[in-house]
Amino acid sequence: ILNVEQSPQSLHVQEGDSTNFTCSFPSSNFYALHWYRWETAKSPEALFVMTLNGDEKKKGRISATLNTKEGYSYLYIKGSQPEDSATYLCASGNSWGKLQFGAGTQVVVTP
Amino acid sequence: DTEVTQTPKHLVMGMTNKKSLKCEQHMGHRAMYWYKQKAKKPPELMFVYSYEKLSINESVPSRFSPECPNSSLLNLHLHALQPEDSALYLCASSQESLGALGGSPLHFGNGTRLTVT
Repeated sequence: ILNVEQSPQSLHVQEGDSTNFTCSFPSSNFYALHWYRWETAKSPEALFVMTLNGDEKKKGRISATLNTKEGYSYLYIKGSQPEDSATYLCASGNSWGKLQFGAGTQVVVTP
Repeated sequence: DTEVTQTPKHLVMGMTNKKSLKCEQHMGHRAMYWYKQKAKKPPELMFVYSYEKLSINESVPSRFSPECPNSSLLNLHLHALQPEDSALYLCASSQESLGALGGSPLHFGNGTRLTVT
């Protein structure tokens, strides 16, 4: 993998349901994996920065895991709420200071 | 409210104009970034300043000229742009640059929506 890829591009979730989506990134020269939430008309907001293989981070109902050997990260949303509607961006950083973003997964939570 | 302030929010300019985008943060962050984003595409890194020195230039055309007058300010000077340069320009800052201290999260501004006519 040369680029950071996120799937799916978009998904619709019923309120109360849980969901997850994927970020794939180059595993060579890996330094850090970032997740951001980007709501419409706002600026991207950092959710997690992970660096170690096997890392798991949690913030409220949102959690993330990291596999640096195979080059993927999952973001989980438990019990989705309408306020979780946003585009979720992941970004992979290498040791030279470059942070490469994926195109994002757009999540729409419907009541 | 974002802690990184970008001005203007919107900018329309002709191909012969000269304009500047401004970015300001007062969090004491030592790294600042310019990203460019087109619709449905990933944000693309343009420049990184670390301790007020340009550390990364992603082969950006010379019609884009960054400037970091001090640790709180970051400018992007625009000259002779092309219509394909129309995009959202995002500024961000972080406590340290990526290669230091385990990778600090980026704090973004709301962006400047640029249209080149």
